[in-house]
Amino acid sequence: GQQVMQIPQYQHVQEGEDFTTYCNSSTTLSNIQWYKQRPGGHPVFLIQLVKSGEVKKQKRLTFQFGEAKKNSSLHITATQTTDVGTYFCAASTNAGKSTFGDGTTLTVKP
Amino acid sequence: NAGVTQTPKFQVLKTGQSMTLQCAQDMNHNSMYWYRQDPGMGLRLIYYSASEGTTDKGEVPNGYNVSRLNKREFSLRLESAAPSQTSVYFCASHQGASGRSEQFFGPGTRLTVL
Repeated sequence: GQQVMQIPQYQHVQEGEDFTTYCNSSTTLSNIQWYKQRPGGHPVFLIQLVKSGEVKKQKRLTFQFGEAKKNSSLHITATQTTDVGTYFCAASTNAGKSTFGDGTTLTVKP
Repeated sequence: NAGVTQTPKFQVLKTGQSMTLQCAQDMNHNSMYWYRQDPGMGLRLIYYSASEGTTDKGEVPNGYNVSRLNKREFSLRLESAAPSQTSVYFCASHQGASGRSEQFFGPGTRLTVL
């Protein structure tokens, strides 16, 4: 089945530093979503990317979809303590199922 | 709207006991899903229901059964719980139409099997 690999598994940063997580697939994706899960919480949808080369921004978060639609990244500029959590990418199939990456857990030291 | 609700929030079982996890959504979504999340890992799909009246196996269906009772409700049953089923279980729903693929998640059920 479809597999989505996410790196790194963990990232520890000082508050104010930037953070990037990467999502890679061996197959071309129709779209990709990003979710955030706070410690002890449930995944919450952040954004969906559909077009090749697409770039979307949400305040300090920048999401990119690769030209070949096989990879994606999430970049956070100047991290804050409120950014802590695990960030997941998810690739969906035409049937509506999503395959989730294992996530990148971000910790931010004040 | 409550979104996606799950009961119970916490459960402790002994090996061999059975239980049903309940999930309901009030967003009139067609598709519903059950995932499990083990510590430090991502979400693995157990079963899903693309529409009312249909269910299909996901990545890790062994040891589980599901029922799509109606459009709102999708339950997950453990017939004979095993310690390997200790996990956090999330239910999710999805509109099912083409376009947006956003899934809405419930708060989760934290299950421990002793």
